[in-house]
Amino acid sequence: DAGVTQSPTHLIKTRGQHVTLRCSPISGHKSVSWYQQVLGQGPQFIFQYYEKEERGRGNFPDRFSARQFPNYSSELNVNALLLGDSALYLCASSFRDRGLTEAFFGQGTRLTVV
Amino acid sequence: ELKVEQNPLFLSMQEGKNYTIYCNYSTTSDRLYWYRQDPGKSLESLFVLLSNGAVKQEGRLMASLDTKARLSTLHITAAVHDLSATYFCAVRGNAGGTSYGKLTFGQGTILTVHP
Repeated sequence: DAGVTQSPTHLIKTRGQHVTLRCSPISGHKSVSWYQQVLGQGPQFIFQYYEKEERGRGNFPDRFSARQFPNYSSELNVNALLLGDSALYLCASSFRDRGLTEAFFGQGTRLTVV
Repeated sequence: ELKVEQNPLFLSMQEGKNYTIYCNYSTTSDRLYWYRQDPGKSLESLFVLLSNGAVKQEGRLMASLDTKARLSTLHITAAVHDLSATYFCAVRGNAGGTSYGKLTFGQGTILTVHP
């Protein structure tokens, strides 16, 4: 079975632009979470979605938004990009949002804002 | 707010030596994770610890959890160069909270194993 897949793997954008990152969870997994990892730091929670509903939101500005589709894939959108948005964006997939479940991470999207 | 602290943040080891990475967290949680990250790569799951006193071992790595002390340890036995990586612990928010599905990560421990 395929693991968590993210696209694109690398992306360069200019300040002020908009970006969309995509994630396909492991087959059968219904929960997707997004994390931002700035170089040299641990990942920071951005959003969690389960069954197409937002179940959690981290301390990020409204420029960050996300959604989950009926096939459980997800998009993370970031508007009005800032240099500080440069980071590795990780998607994590799990079977459900509660209970005994493990989170598996995709390979990430490396976003560079210039 | 849940806070997770790891120490040390940098660890330089000789091959064959033993060492322990510590992970402290600030509030009650029902689940603790250990991940490994190689440079430029994603997070690889190592262990999931579910209950007080839980101990799991895989190869030269052994993780344990003390929920009363809010402490987890990752013990490295007879280190080899292949273990060089960054190790993160992560804690999940407690049941019933609004951030139940959220993982809070420590700062990471950069481990370098020298010949």
